[in-house]
This record gives sequence, structure tokens and C-alpha cells, in this order.
Amino acid sequence: SAVISQKPSRDICQRGTSLTIQCQVDSQVTMMFWYRQQPGQSLTLIATANQGSEATYESGFVIDKFPISRPNLTFSTLTVSNMSPEDSSIYLCSVSDRGWGYTFGSGTRLTVV
Amino acid sequence: EDKVVQSPLSLVVHEGDTVTLNCSYEVTNFRSLLWYKQEKKAPTFLFMLTSSGIEKKSGRLSSILDKKELFSILNITATQTGDSAVYLCAVEGVRDDKIIFGKGTRLHILP
Repeated sequence: SAVISQKPSRDICQRGTSLTIQCQVDSQVTMMFWYRQQPGQSLTLIATANQGSEATYESGFVIDKFPISRPNLTFSTLTVSNMSPEDSSIYLCSVSDRGWGYTFGSGTRLTVV
Repeated sequence: EDKVVQSPLSLVVHEGDTVTLNCSYEVTNFRSLLWYKQEKKAPTFLFMLTSSGIEKKSGRLSSILDKKELFSILNITATQTGDSAVYLCAVEGVRDDKIIFGKGTRLHILP
């Protein structure tokens, strides 16, 4: 199965600042997915990132708040912009891994103070 | 609207007990149903189910899918404290290459 390196593992940030989360996959993948998991909640899809095109955002998520880059088939970043305490969550990247379902990065635990 | 409903939302049992976790779903153009175990941050893959009536088994864990009644169960026998986790059910549709998660079942095993 694919292996995804995600960083940072955790961070504590001041409100109003931005944080960029990186995911590196050990193989080329067409689509990468970014999820948010708020405390006590399940995973919610933020957006789908294809290489060479703009990301597709789910309802309730906008590019200005969560800009995504996908410069090549093994790498993607998600930025959480102008953070508020409500953005405190676990953020996860994921790739489709045929036969293994979807493989997830190790996750980023973000706390906004 | 596509959705995944898991029950119970939480469960506390004693070590050695057997548990059954439930997942029902509604999705357009079903492709697969997935079970994950989440202990800290990253969900880890347990099973992918695509066909009805075929049990998938891994050690003390097993799962089966009923595509007619639109549900799946995850069984854990002879539970151990290491089984304590949130168990997530997710469903993938054919149209979109993405998955929808249920809220999860938080399982706590008492020693």
C-alpha cells in the first residue's frame, strides 16, 4: 500500500495566522484528498486535489480559507488561512489505494489559540 | 443525499467479550464499503467490502456486507484492551472517487 508522509504532526498557532500542511506520497497518484476532523466528530472532506488543475472544494469550504497546491503527482499542501479557534482540528490527507481502500497520512493536530 | 449511519455511537465492554458494530448506508451507485480503526489521528484500513454475503476476516475481526439491505457489520471476538479505538465506516460511490464517513463507533474495552 502507499505510504504518505504528513507534516507537521502538530502545531499550536495564534489566531489570524496561517499554517501549511504538507503530504508526500511514495508513489504517483492522480487524486489526493484533504479531510478535517473536528473534536469528537467524523472525517469531513475539504477538497479533492488533482495535479495540474484547481482543487475541487466541498460545500462549506472555500479556496480563500483552504488554498491547496498540487505541483506534481506525489505532493500536495493544504493551507489553513486566517485561523480562528474553530479551525482547531485534525487535518488528514489521503489517497485512493486500490485494494487497500484509502490510505491516510499520519495527520496534523492543529490547535488555534 | 448520500449518508452513512453507524451504531452504536459508543460502546463499553469487558475484555474477552464479543462486539458487533453496525453500519447502514445510502449512496448513489455503490462501489465499496470500508472499515477503518482510528486510535490517535490517522485511520488505519481494516476491510474493503464490495460483494454481498462474503465474509472478510483478519484475526479476531470479521466483516460482512448486505447490499440488499444496505448495511454492514464489523465483529470483534475475544476483545482486548488494544481494540479500544474509534471504528469508522465509509462508503464509496462509483460516480465520485471519494468516500463518505459515518460518525464512528467509540469502543472502549475494560480490562
